[in-house]
Formats: sequence, structure tokens, C-alpha cells
Amino acid sequence: GEDVEQSLFLSVREGDSSVINCTYTDSSSTYLYWYKQEPGAGLQLLTYIFSNMDMKQDQRLTVLLNKKDKHLSLRIADTQTGDSAIYFCAEKLSAGNNRKLIWGLGTSLAVNP
Amino acid sequence: DSGVTQTPKHLITATGQRVTLRCSPRSGDLSVYWYQQSLDQGLQFLIQYYNGEERAKGNILERFSAQQFPDLHSELNLSSLELGDSALYFCASSVTRPEGIGETQYFGPGTRLLVL
Repeated sequence: GEDVEQSLFLSVREGDSSVINCTYTDSSSTYLYWYKQEPGAGLQLLTYIFSNMDMKQDQRLTVLLNKKDKHLSLRIADTQTGDSAIYFCAEKLSAGNNRKLIWGLGTSLAVNP
Repeated sequence: DSGVTQTPKHLITATGQRVTLRCSPRSGDLSVYWYQQSLDQGLQFLIQYYNGEERAKGNILERFSAQQFPDLHSELNLSSLELGDSALYFCASSVTRPEGIGETQYFGPGTRLLVL
């Protein structure tokens, strides 16, 4: 079946690193995405990784993909209060003509000063 | 600013009513997706249109329908509204290349619907 799971809450101190984890079930995933949703706002694409990559780094963001364990993580270095938001993991399936994304429920990140 | 626009931003209506949500995709994007986000269900994919035709269907109720017009804007129609339909409704757009891989979805700011 198609399922993406994330822990619902994460709390960190300002300046620390945050690691948000995500597991997915479908091995036919081609792309995996991280989106950020700030309070009262829409979803903003943060980064994505191809399924044949292990790691992708983009400034303070590092995405790690363990395809064997179907585990994806997003590391935010030097977390700031402006990083407080809900972070969604999503996987894109390659099978068939259906190009929908499968979404996790989101991890709410709270950054404490 | 993602380039995707949605109107209205907020909508308050009563049970049993019908509303229409509108979405304009980014310039050049042929695919439009509709999502519903509620506190208890999270983000749920409803439906995708590509260049005017329905491409994929998710957890969309029969009371809901959508269409994409020749100018590529899309409307989501919600009818016989129930209290449980209160949610944020997002539209997203993407290029959708013919090979069908890699396109990123860009989200609009959402329409917040409250059914009283």
C-alpha cells in the first residue's frame, strides 16, 4: 500500500540541528519531497531528492535517503525561530499513469529561543 | 510567492450550500492539483487535471467536482456542504512533462473554508 509516516512533533533549541524523519512504503518512489508550511500559509517546496541519490545538501538543509529502509530525513542546521513550521514529506510514485504525491501528515517543528 | 493564485482566501458558508474555489496555475504549468487539508486527516489529494482533462483521482467525494478550463485555470466545486468539509483547500500546479517524471508541484496559498 501507499503510506508515508512522520512523527507529529519536534521541539529544538535555537542554534541546534533539527532532524525530521519520514518513512514510506512504496519502493517504486521516484522522487521524495520536503515541503514547509508556515502558520496560515500555503506549502512551500524546500527541497527534493531523486530516488537514486543518497544525499542532497542545500545550504542549511541536508536530505538523506536510505532506500533499503525506505527512510528519508531532513536535517536543518543552526535551526532558527523562523524555521518553526510544519514540514511535510511526500513521495512520488512512478507506477502507472497516476502522478499523485503521497503525503505524510506533517511534523510540527517548534524552535525555542 | 509560488506563482499559483487561489481565490477566495476565506469562505464562510452554511451546511447544504455550494461553493466554488478558483485556482490559477503558474504560467506554463499544464497540471493542476487540488488538496484538502484538515486537522484530523492531514493533507489529502483530491484530483489532478492536465491540460483540461482529468488525470488522477484521489479521495474526492462525489459531492465535489472540479474542472480545468482552456486557459488552464481550475475550479473546485463543493456542494451539499457538511460541517466536516471545513478545511484548507490547496491548489498546486506543475509542468507535467510528457515523460511524466520529476515535475515539482508549486502550491497556492489556499482557501480556508468554514462551514457553519
